[in-house]
Amino acid sequence: EAEVAQSPRYKITEKSQAVAFWCDPISGHATLYWYRQILGQGPELLVQFQDESVVDDSQLPKDRFSAERLKGVDSTLKIQPAELGDSAMYLCASSLGTLAQETQYFGPGTRLLVL
Amino acid sequence: AQKITQTQPGMFVQEKEAVTLDCTYDTSDPSYGLFWYKQPSSGEMIFLIYQGSYDQQNATEGRYSLNFQKARKSANLVISASQLGDSAMYFCAMREGINGAQKLVFGQGTRLTINP
Repeated sequence: EAEVAQSPRYKITEKSQAVAFWCDPISGHATLYWYRQILGQGPELLVQFQDESVVDDSQLPKDRFSAERLKGVDSTLKIQPAELGDSAMYLCASSLGTLAQETQYFGPGTRLLVL
Repeated sequence: AQKITQTQPGMFVQEKEAVTLDCTYDTSDPSYGLFWYKQPSSGEMIFLIYQGSYDQQNATEGRYSLNFQKARKSANLVISASQLGDSAMYFCAMREGINGAQKLVFGQGTRLTINP
């Protein structure tokens, strides 16, 4: 069964360092999403891609976060510099397209701890 | 205003009993979709069930069913014959509009614990 792949699964870093997360969506899925989930809360969308184009990055803290999906397949989310408040689970999801009823399938996530 | 409200922070149920997890939503868009996801301690969000705003019948997927009451704006998840493996966080989510450019908005979640 096709799955969304993410790496690393866990990341510990010190504040002010740079971190990067990678996501490989389900093959054929044009839409890719990055979410941040703070402990005890539901996920919140950071950025949405349709192929290689950004559809929504209104909640992405652009002073320190960046995301790219250069060839419209896999994607990288970067934080520089990391802050203590960035400690969270970062989830990647993908869907075939952007219709409202299309299911988003999630990867296993990356747990980030900033010390 | 909260778009998705899950009022039960935690639920404790005996194994083999049925359980209902509550979800209410707020939207003025006539077209929307409602989703339920399960998140075990491992962290992955697992899709369970989907209900469209124009669907005439309640959605069902195996032991999961969705009690959709459109006028009350509620979309409760019903798990029949609960199992120990059902212990997890459960999230209700909504996506508004026909065009999927609208983002998926999640509730705060309900932690379900199944007791043997």
